[in-house]
Amino acid sequence: QSVLTQPPSASGTPGQRVTISCSGGSSNIGRNYVYWYQQVPGTAPKLLIYRNNQRPSGVPDRFSGSKSGTSASLAISGLRSDDEADYYCATWDDSLSAYVFGTGTKVTVL
Amino acid sequence: EVQLVESGGGMVQPGGSLRLSCAASGFAFSGYDMHWVRQTTGKGLEWVSSIGAVGDSYYPDSVKGRFTISRENGKNSLYLQMDSLRAGDTAVYYCARSSEGLLDFDYWGQGTLVTVSS
Repeated sequence: QSVLTQPPSASGTPGQRVTISCSGGSSNIGRNYVYWYQQVPGTAPKLLIYRNNQRPSGVPDRFSGSKSGTSASLAISGLRSDDEADYYCATWDDSLSAYVFGTGTKVTVL
Repeated sequence: EVQLVESGGGMVQPGGSLRLSCAASGFAFSGYDMHWVRQTTGKGLEWVSSIGAVGDSYYPDSVKGRFTISRENGKNSLYLQMDSLRAGDTAVYYCARSSEGLLDFDYWGQGTLVTVSS
């Protein structure tokens, strides 16, 4: 059972905005940077957001991250069919002394 | 081009051992932290271990004392020695890199499957 909780699924139609939440605690999100990864089934995860809201080069600005207190969010605007994937948040947990991943959210484009 | 290629996966009996390797290319391997992350079939991601550029290592409680991460900078290679394997260790194992001192896993390998079964 992960210490980072995400909704199991989210969906939207092409062009819509979808937001995924990641709920943690004071020992993890509350103190450390949050990262987001995208994983298309059958492939390796891909870094989407680092240090709460920074995008690696090559990641479209349709993807944005934010953090407030012990929660974080990933927003996908202008939803596209190739955004269908699993999305995971991650951060360091000071109490566990471990890098923890969220439970994952499957995004479906209707 | 940055590439990470895992190898060494396979089927092993409970209590057995396996050594995974990750061959790195396209970047200055010695200057990066390296990591192992696993994923059970249809499930989420779990951090397995990390090793710093200077050789410091870290593990979650679930594998501490059973798994050992190491690196050989001269061969641009990362390793994971897995002992006392359990059925719950069955997963696809990925190697990943991050900037030194940070946790931005910016490149990942394609993964290697480890199956622990009798």
